Amino acid sequence: EAQVTQNPRYLITVTGKKLTVTCSQNMNHEYMSWYRQDPGLGLRQIYYSMNVEVTDKGDVPEGYKVSRKEKRNFPLILESPSPNQTSLYFCASRTTWAGNTEAFFGQGTRLTVV
Amino acid sequence: ILNVEQSPQSLHVQEGDSTNFTCSFPSSNFYALHWYRWETAKSPEALFVMTLNGDEKKKGRISATLNTKEGYSYLYIKGSQPEDSATYLCALNTNAGKSTFGDGTTLTVKP
Repeated sequence: EAQVTQNPRYLITVTGKKLTVTCSQNMNHEYMSWYRQDPGLGLRQIYYSMNVEVTDKGDVPEGYKVSRKEKRNFPLILESPSPNQTSLYFCASRTTWAGNTEAFFGQGTRLTVV
Repeated sequence: ILNVEQSPQSLHVQEGDSTNFTCSFPSSNFYALHWYRWETAKSPEALFVMTLNGDEKKKGRISATLNTKEGYSYLYIKGSQPEDSATYLCALNTNAGKSTFGDGTTLTVKP
């Protein structure tokens, strides 16, 4: 089954403790992206990757890192999480970086930083 | 940061009503516009990808139109059903990887 898989689905952590949220897709998609969603707001793009070893900042990259060492995986790293990073996070993939290709989303990761 | 606006923020209708909402964007930055349907506790699902001025897309009772010159897209739902209750998101995509989402319109359809 074609899918985007995020782990974990739920995470409660403490300020400053490094964490990684994994994202994996099995559709051989070139493009992957991370978003955060906060109450009353739409999805805001954190980072995106147009292909292996190619990543770029979205609109809200501060406090996050990403890497794209292989096509299927695009982990989101919070080196020193803070309470303002408490949010719902989505990973998405598309066939290519072309803006007219449909996006497939993971199930979401609800992160709470205390 | 591109400004993508959706209105209204929320909408409550009765089963059987038809409804529509708007997505506005800067017309000078247009490459592609996407509509998504997002149900509570699920992932957003793609509804339409629209690229050409005058585009009209339809999927069952849901349809969308696009006007790139004036910078808006309408999403229509004909004969709303309770299962249509969801948040509808639009997103403006550049041809260089960036996606900017509106804040969504939350539709509640009462039986």
